[in-house]
Amino acid sequence: SQQGEEDPQALSIQEGENATMNCSYKTSINNLQWYRQNSGRGLVHLILIRSNEREKHSGRLRVTLDTSKKSSSLLITASRAADTASYFCATLNMGRRALTFGSGTRLQVQP
Amino acid sequence: DGGITQSPKYLFRKEGQNVTLSCEQNLNHDAMYWYRQDPGQGLRLIYYSQIVNDFQKGDIAEGYSVSREKKESFPLTVTSAQKNPTAFYLCASSIDRQGVLAGGPDEQFFGPGTRLTVL
Repeated sequence: SQQGEEDPQALSIQEGENATMNCSYKTSINNLQWYRQNSGRGLVHLILIRSNEREKHSGRLRVTLDTSKKSSSLLITASRAADTASYFCATLNMGRRALTFGSGTRLQVQP
Repeated sequence: DGGITQSPKYLFRKEGQNVTLSCEQNLNHDAMYWYRQDPGQGLRLIYYSQIVNDFQKGDIAEGYSVSREKKESFPLTVTSAQKNPTAFYLCASSIDRQGVLAGGPDEQFFGPGTRLTVL
C-alpha cells in the first residue's frame, strides 16, 4: 500500500519561483527520502532526512520533517525549467527494510 | 562506471508467456529491489533481497518471481499468472546497514527501467 501521499498532485510555476511539495505518512519511520523522476526514466535520489532530524539542506533543496504531524515538505528555491519532473517521497517504515513510495507531485516549471 | 543497468528497455509479451527482466549492479550493494510503476502513479514494491540467496515478497508479489544467485544480479520473471503486467518496471539497489545501530537501507540507486507491454 502507498503510505506517502504528496500534495499537490501537480504544480505549475514560473522559472525563478519557489516550489513547495508536501508529503504525509501514516506510521512511524526511520527515515524519509525524496526522489526525482524525469518522464520515462529511473528515479534519482535527492535527499534523505532521518527521524531525529527536523531540517536538511542540499543546494537549492530544503527538506523539513515533522514527526508529530507525520509530514515532510520539499522546497526547491529559484526553480529552473530543468527542474520539471515528478517528485516522490518515500518512507522507511519501522520494522520494514524497503521503502514505501507516495504517488508523486508533477512539477512543471515554465521558462 | 559504477551503476545499475536494466535490460531490455522495451519488452513485448504475448498472453500466457513468461518473460524475464534483467537487473545488474556493480555498486557492491547487498540490497536490491523491484518496483512496478503504472502511468501517473508511484512505485509499488514487488520483491526485495537483502542478501544473496534470500528475498522477500513486497506488496504486489503475486504473478512475479525472482532469484538472487549472485550479489550483482536480481532478475525478475513476470509469469502468465500476472493478469495485468503492462507497466514500467524499475530495479534499484542500496547499502543496507545491519546491526544494532542500523538505520536500515539508505538511498536507493535506480536503473533506467524496462517498459513491458502485453500484446
